[in-house]
Amino acid sequence: DAGVIQSPRHEVTEMGQEVTLRCKPISGHNSLFWYRQTMMRGLELLIYFNNNVPIDDSGMPEDRFSAKMPNASFSTLKIQPSEPRDSAVYFCASSLMNTEAFFGQGTRLTVV
Amino acid sequence: GESVGLHLPTLSVQEGDNSIINCAYSNSASDYFIWYKQESGKGPQFIIDIRSNMDKRQGQRVTVLLNKTVKHLSLQIAATQPGDSAVYFCAETGGANNLFFGTGTRLTVIP
Repeated sequence: DAGVIQSPRHEVTEMGQEVTLRCKPISGHNSLFWYRQTMMRGLELLIYFNNNVPIDDSGMPEDRFSAKMPNASFSTLKIQPSEPRDSAVYFCASSLMNTEAFFGQGTRLTVV
Repeated sequence: GESVGLHLPTLSVQEGDNSIINCAYSNSASDYFIWYKQESGKGPQFIIDIRSNMDKRQGQRVTVLLNKTVKHLSLQIAATQPGDSAVYFCAETGGANNLFFGTGTRLTVIP
């Protein structure tokens, strides 16, 4: 397996634009997590899914952020409209329930 | 203006020495703990895990100790190598399968 695949690796966008981050979890994993990492706040859990269903989105900063998991092999994290303070590295991770999570390489988002 | 970030604890060790990285957690309901290593520009990488029914688990060159009484977790790395230089995170889950990370410790190995 190629591991968790995220795209794009880098994204630079202007304030106000819509940004969509993509994630392909490891085949067979039934849990998927979205994290944001910044110097200020470290690694923050934004949302996680079990069996494609969002379980806890309390970490999503505000309504500008939304996440979907239409099937077991794909998830998106969308920011609309984006703001400079959204600049961060966004990680997707997947796991089998109650086992270790495997992380993707991350998407480095810069909003100017 | 000056940017202020998280103050990451740091640990510097001589190559070949043993390293001990500590982590405190707050959720008494946490029943599964994981140590991750993050190198620059990469995602966190699994090192070792332990469940709450154990107090020690060993891997290759690494040992995790869990003290549930004081809610403390430690990672011991034997014979530390330059390739061990990274930020190390402990993570905990409280049975709901969410996974929360600590702030991390930066380990620097001096050749």
